Amino acid sequence: AAGVIQSPRHLIKEKRETATLKCYPIPRHDTVYWYQQGPGQDPQFLISFYEKMQSDKGSIPDRFSAQQFSDYHSELNMSSLELGDSALYFCASSSNTGEDTEAFFGQGTRLTVV
Amino acid sequence: GEDVEQSLFLSVREGDSSVINCTYTDSSSTYLYWYKQEPGAGLQLLTYIFSNMDMKQDQRLTVLLNKKDKHLSLRIADTQTGDSAIYFCAESEGYSTLTFGKGTMLLVSP
Repeated sequence: AAGVIQSPRHLIKEKRETATLKCYPIPRHDTVYWYQQGPGQDPQFLISFYEKMQSDKGSIPDRFSAQQFSDYHSELNMSSLELGDSALYFCASSSNTGEDTEAFFGQGTRLTVV
Repeated sequence: GEDVEQSLFLSVREGDSSVINCTYTDSSSTYLYWYKQEPGAGLQLLTYIFSNMDMKQDQRLTVLLNKKDKHLSLRIADTQTGDSAIYFCAESEGYSTLTFGKGTMLLVSP
């Protein structure tokens, strides 16, 4: 079965650079969520989209932005990177209208800021 | 605000049963989940339960929910070394975002 695909799997950036993380949800899923998991921490919700519109916002810094495109994939754009942005970034998808109301997570993108 | 709490560590012997406990505060929680995370890996959905249920069994996994006490538990029968991982309890209110606990590290020794 198809799962949530995230790319890249690993990313190394320098401070003050920008990064773009991509997420391809499970087919027919209409909702995408972004989570940030720092070292030894639990995942923290950043932002979500339903049918290409922002549906909820969590602890996402102003330096970050995200969007969901017409094909339902989503991108998380991160600017002016800081050392503290180093974390595992998860994307999850679900369907609010179908059977998969629970969130399925991708394998994550490990971002290291040096 | 919403809060999900779990014990941080559990150690069991292979073949024993493991019970991981979780408490939550949001009385509006409608879905409660258990996710498994192996080192350096993603979050794997193990099972979930609706708040109108009190038990769900799925092969070696049994989830018990005490809604009155806002207490959720995950029992793993015949625990194997491959079950060693961090287990996250999470809750959501309807079709909304997840609030995770800090995770319980399960260590299974031979």
